[in-house]
Amino acid sequence: DAGITQSPRHKVTETGTPVTLRCHQTENHRYMYWYRQDPGHGLRLIHYSYGVKDTDKGEVSDGYSVSRSKTEDFLLTLESATSSQTSVYFCATMGQGTDTQYFGPGTRLTVL
Amino acid sequence: GESVGLHLPTLSVQEGDNSIINCAYSNSASDYFIWYKQESGKGPQFIIDIRSNMDKRQGQRVTVLLNKTVKHLSLQIAATQPGDSAVYFCAETQAPSYGNNRLAFGKGNQVVVIP
Repeated sequence: DAGITQSPRHKVTETGTPVTLRCHQTENHRYMYWYRQDPGHGLRLIHYSYGVKDTDKGEVSDGYSVSRSKTEDFLLTLESATSSQTSVYFCATMGQGTDTQYFGPGTRLTVL
Repeated sequence: GESVGLHLPTLSVQEGDNSIINCAYSNSASDYFIWYKQESGKGPQFIIDIRSNMDKRQGQRVTVLLNKTVKHLSLQIAATQPGDSAVYFCAETQAPSYGNNRLAFGKGNQVVVIP
């Protein structure tokens, strides 16, 4: 595993509030990803990063933004949380020259 | 713990027996495949991978078989243990990934080990 931590691990928030999830890695992996996992849908890519300040959208990026100011940190922000964003969020990393993604422990987000 | 999916195909296996989990992939251009294990309340854990220039690869108690002709992948777990109870899912991509060649994930199979 790539020494990935996610914070917070659990969060309950109200509709309309901003939320930021943090992913931290210690392996100096170049690539970082944010996924959401929902029953019946499997893992879906929200955004990914291919380097510091370099990010791109995934398949379900609406309502989410990301930032990567340092190699080790990748932040996912919900500007105005909605109930449809209730999910489990996973961060993943991948080293340059490899094809294997390693996952963090996840953040369970509930939007009331 | 939380469930990672509703109505997943479920394989019930007696402790000590061998398990076989199957995965059909869709992209004939995919040439790199991974099996992940996800226990309840945890993140997906890498188990084993295989590239398309191989038909079989073995790890510790696990074997992955790849049949490119029918686009089928399987994971065999030898002497299944209670700790093997989890959701298993496959992922495929076209390598090299360069980060933007995304992994496509299957929805998973639930394995329940009966003591």
